Formats: sequence, structure tokens, C-alpha cells
Amino acid sequence: QSALTQPPSASGTPGQRVTISCSGSISNIGGNTINWYQHLPGAAPILLIYGDNQRPSGVPDRFSGSKSGTSASLAISGLQSEDEADYYCASWDDSLNGQVFGGGTKVTVL
Amino acid sequence: DVQLVESGGGLVQPGRSLRLSCAASGFTFDDHGMAWVRQPPGKGLEWVSGITWNSGNIGYAESVKGRFIISRDNAKNSLFLQMNSLRAEDTALYYCAKDIGTAPIGGMDVWGQGTTVIVSS
Repeated sequence: QSALTQPPSASGTPGQRVTISCSGSISNIGGNTINWYQHLPGAAPILLIYGDNQRPSGVPDRFSGSKSGTSASLAISGLQSEDEADYYCASWDDSLNGQVFGGGTKVTVL
Repeated sequence: DVQLVESGGGLVQPGRSLRLSCAASGFTFDDHGMAWVRQPPGKGLEWVSGITWNSGNIGYAESVKGRFIISRDNAKNSLFLQMNSLRAEDTALYYCAKDIGTAPIGGMDVWGQGTTVIVSS
């Protein structure tokens, strides 16, 4: 069981906005920043969001992150077919002295 | 180009050891924390271990604590993972990843393609 909880799946039609939630605790999300990754089968994960809401260069502004208390969200606006992938949240956990990942959310573009 | 290339994976019997390596290029290696992340077949990503830029702080997932040892050689731009007492549940694709900061506590912005470890008799 992951320290961070994500819904196993999410879906939307092209152009829609999809939101993925990530729930944790005071030892991880509540006290540290959260990061989001996109992972396509057979490829290396890609950092989408770091520091709760910062986008690395090259990541489209369709991707945005937010955090409140011990929960966080990733929003994908203007959903595109190439956004179909697995998405993971991750954060440092002070109690475990290590990073923890969510279980992942599979996004399907209908 | 910024690049991480893992090596050392393979088929190993339960209880045996394996050493993974990660060769870094295209960035100042000793400015960054580094980590190993794995993905078991059909499952999600799992952080395995991380090390600060100067090896001053190291962390391990509970599942590998006492069995795995992470290390780095900044002179050779290399990261290592010594895996001992391997178990079937260690079977996974192992990624090497670079942190955006000096400690492995932030976002990992560069990843290798991974090396596969299969633990089976």
C-alpha cells in the first residue's frame, strides 16, 4: 500500500480538463513539496511538476499542479491523445526518510 | 546531451548479489543528488534509494534497507547500487535518476532507460 493515494484511473475526451488527486499525510505532502511524473510504457518517466506547482522547461503549460494541506492535484487542460499515460505523484517523507510515490493513475483519452 | 545510462542488470538466483551502475554525462554530476527508482512488472514506481551530492546523506526504502547499498564516485560521474540477498520481489526495471537539487528529496528531472533485474531460480 502506497503512502500516497491516487485514483487508479481517470479519463476524458480531447480538449477536456482532467484532474488527478494525491492524498498523503503531514510527514510527506503536508511538510514537503510534491512532484508529478508522466510515464509512458517503454519510456523513462518525465518530470511534469516539481516544488508543488513548478514546470520544468519544455513541459506544456496545459499541465499544472496545486497543493492544499496534505493533498495535491495535477490538472491537465486541453486533453490530448498523447497525454494517455500513467501519472505518479511523489514526495519526501520525513518519517520514512525517503521518497514515496503514489500508486499511479492511468489516464485514458476517450 | 544530459544522459544517464544504467548497466549491470540480469538474471540472478535468490540470495545472490548484483551491482548496478549508472554513468552520467552532460551535467555537473557532483552538483546533484541521485536516486534509484524501480518498477516491478505490472506495478507502479517505487523509490529505492537516494544519495546527496557529497554522499553525506543516504536513504533507503524499508523494503531494501540492510540489503542494498547506494554509492557514488563523483570523479567518475557514476552512481552504483549494490544489491545483496536478492529476493523474487526485487525483480524490476531499475532506473537511475538525477535530482534537480543537491539532495534526493526533490523532483527527478533526468532518468535513464533502466536496467532489468530478474531474481529467479
